Amino acid sequence: GAVVSQHPSWVICKSGTSVKIECRSLDFQATTMFWYRQFPKQSLMLMATSNEGSKATYEQGVEKDKFLINHASLTLSTLTVTSAHPEDSSFYICSARTGGSNQPQHFGDGTRLSIL
Amino acid sequence: GQNIDQPTEMTATEGAIVQINCTYQTSGFNGLFWYQQHAGEAPTFLSYNVLDGLEEKGRFSSFLSRSKGYSYLLLKELQMKDSASYLCAANQAGTALIFGKGTTLSVSS
Repeated sequence: GAVVSQHPSWVICKSGTSVKIECRSLDFQATTMFWYRQFPKQSLMLMATSNEGSKATYEQGVEKDKFLINHASLTLSTLTVTSAHPEDSSFYICSARTGGSNQPQHFGDGTRLSIL
Repeated sequence: GQNIDQPTEMTATEGAIVQINCTYQTSGFNGLFWYQQHAGEAPTFLSYNVLDGLEEKGRFSSFLSRSKGYSYLLLKELQMKDSASYLCAANQAGTALIFGKGTTLSVSS
């Protein structure tokens, strides 16, 4: 149980393109979803937290107009990187949680984004 | 401030026991998670401690001392497949997890 699917797993695109990443909880309802960014050999950096049906809460330094998050249902959240540039190249990982903060987050397989 | 510290790298041999330590300083502490992350993959949940003491799950055990701001993950009967990064994450009440930088464990034969 507690499977989170993230799609696509790898994206290579030109600078200026917008990229949408989907995160789905397959066998549970995710009241909260999280989006992280991870650079090589670095820790997971939380970008934003989203609750179903409400606006995402962004961490300091994360541009909400650059990284659009939509959590339309209890099983789906999307992250859109708008007008991506090479510095946006990274490993993006979503996680989903049901219930309160004492419940574990279950992670998707991540999306490797490469902007040329 | 908030701070999570864990060793950067550790090495061990197959069949051995290894202990990965984690110290934390965070406000509103509400438990500590351990995750395993293989290279290029997403983290997978290993354990969650909210009360002091040792939690055992098969070959893996996790310990927490809230008064000392300290936790460890104990891996027994090491296998080659245990080579991975192990992430310690502090749970702050009402907010998200704060992750450490991870400990890369290399298991050799």
